[in-house]
Amino acid sequence: EAGVTQFPSHSVIEKGQTVTLRCDPISGHDNLYWYRRVMGKEIKFLLHFVKESKQDESGMPNNRFLAERTGGTYSTLKVQPAELEDSGVYFCASSQVSGRASAGELFFGEGSRLTVL
Amino acid sequence: AQSVTQPDIHITVSEGASLELRCNYSYGATPYLFWYVQSPGQGLQLLLKYFSGDTLVQGIKGFEAEFKRSQSSFNLRKPSVHWSDAAEYFCAVGHGSSNTGKLIFGQGTTLQVKP
Repeated sequence: EAGVTQFPSHSVIEKGQTVTLRCDPISGHDNLYWYRRVMGKEIKFLLHFVKESKQDESGMPNNRFLAERTGGTYSTLKVQPAELEDSGVYFCASSQVSGRASAGELFFGEGSRLTVL
Repeated sequence: AQSVTQPDIHITVSEGASLELRCNYSYGATPYLFWYVQSPGQGLQLLLKYFSGDTLVQGIKGFEAEFKRSQSSFNLRKPSVHWSDAAEYFCAVGHGSSNTGKLIFGQGTTLQVKP
């Protein structure tokens, strides 16, 4: 079974440009999460999809970030226009169901490293 | 506000030695606690989790962790470290019972294993 896949693995762009990150969750996982780790800091929650619906987007930094999950399968995270402070590693994670049994048991991708120059 | 602190940014141990990675949390209710590991070139992998009950939890790869409410700690231990354990380790707390995929992470501890 394929794991969570993310691409690109590394993207280098200039300030003001646009970047789109993609995440393919494990097949059948309704829950999809985006997290971000800025260099030297902790991994922080960005948002949570349940199927195609945004369940919680309280961690999104500002309106330059747009996440979508059309059809409840893969998800994209667009940053437009990118700023220097957006540099970091963006992780995607998925899980099968919510609730106690699998709570917190997220399956993470390897991350997409974004460098904004 | 909820938070997780991993006091040690970097730890070096010799192969075969015991290991303890520290984690302290700040959380108003009974926390859901987790340890994840990220090996080079891989995504984060769940090592173990605590919800309730026995305060000593066993995980994969020979790891265990002990929940101590009085100390607000959830330290990770392994009796004998292997070279393949070199990785970055993250402690996390679940943020809310109904949305337990929303985790608050510590800053991570990088483990180096000396031969």
